[in-house]
Amino acid sequence: DQQVKQNSPSLSVQEGRISILNCDYTNSMFDYFLWYKKYPAEGPTFLISISSIKDKNEDGRFTVFLNKSAKHLSLHIVPSQPGDSAVYFCAASLRGNQGGKLIFGQGTELSVKP
Amino acid sequence: GAVVSQHPSWVICKSGTSVKIECRSLDFQATTMFWYRQFPKQSLMLMATSNEGSKATYEQGVEKDKFLINHASLTLSTLTVTSAHPEDSSFYICSARPPGFAPLHFGNGTRLTVT
Repeated sequence: DQQVKQNSPSLSVQEGRISILNCDYTNSMFDYFLWYKKYPAEGPTFLISISSIKDKNEDGRFTVFLNKSAKHLSLHIVPSQPGDSAVYFCAASLRGNQGGKLIFGQGTELSVKP
Repeated sequence: GAVVSQHPSWVICKSGTSVKIECRSLDFQATTMFWYRQFPKQSLMLMATSNEGSKATYEQGVEKDKFLINHASLTLSTLTVTSAHPEDSSFYICSARPPGFAPLHFGNGTRLTVT
């Protein structure tokens, strides 16, 4: 039972354009969501997070949007750069875990072409 | 920023032997650490929660006798894969949460190959 889903295994974007990575979840008890970036043979690196009391959080080129009614979140990267090429995981935490135990999606491999 | 260090970064062992992986929080104390595993092209799956001074909590389907976890200090947790078999070959990643409302930080992972 995949509670966090990233339905697009890969995404290719031109440098300078917007990258939109999507994530859906099924458990309404999730109250904290995060995006991580991962290179091969390395651990994930935290990018940005959002609490369920918000619908948007922005940090530089990265913006995360949360639609609780649709149980959907997305990560926007603008403008995309070749260095953004990596696998992006969304993750969710259950209420009460305060972001300790995370449930991850399958990941989306982003390729930003020069 | 908060750093989680993991060692070794890769290890090759023979079937039937045991392998120990260390996870350290370098600039903060962590009463709780988390061990994840990732198979190729798949998601990160939580294996267990390591609790300082007490027994680890294992996720459903993870054999506690096979994956021994010890959290002897506030900065060190170890995962020992006992009697390793080729199907245990995977990427093991530890994580810890710095104090305050900070996100989970991950180590760089350990690539285990069992021959």
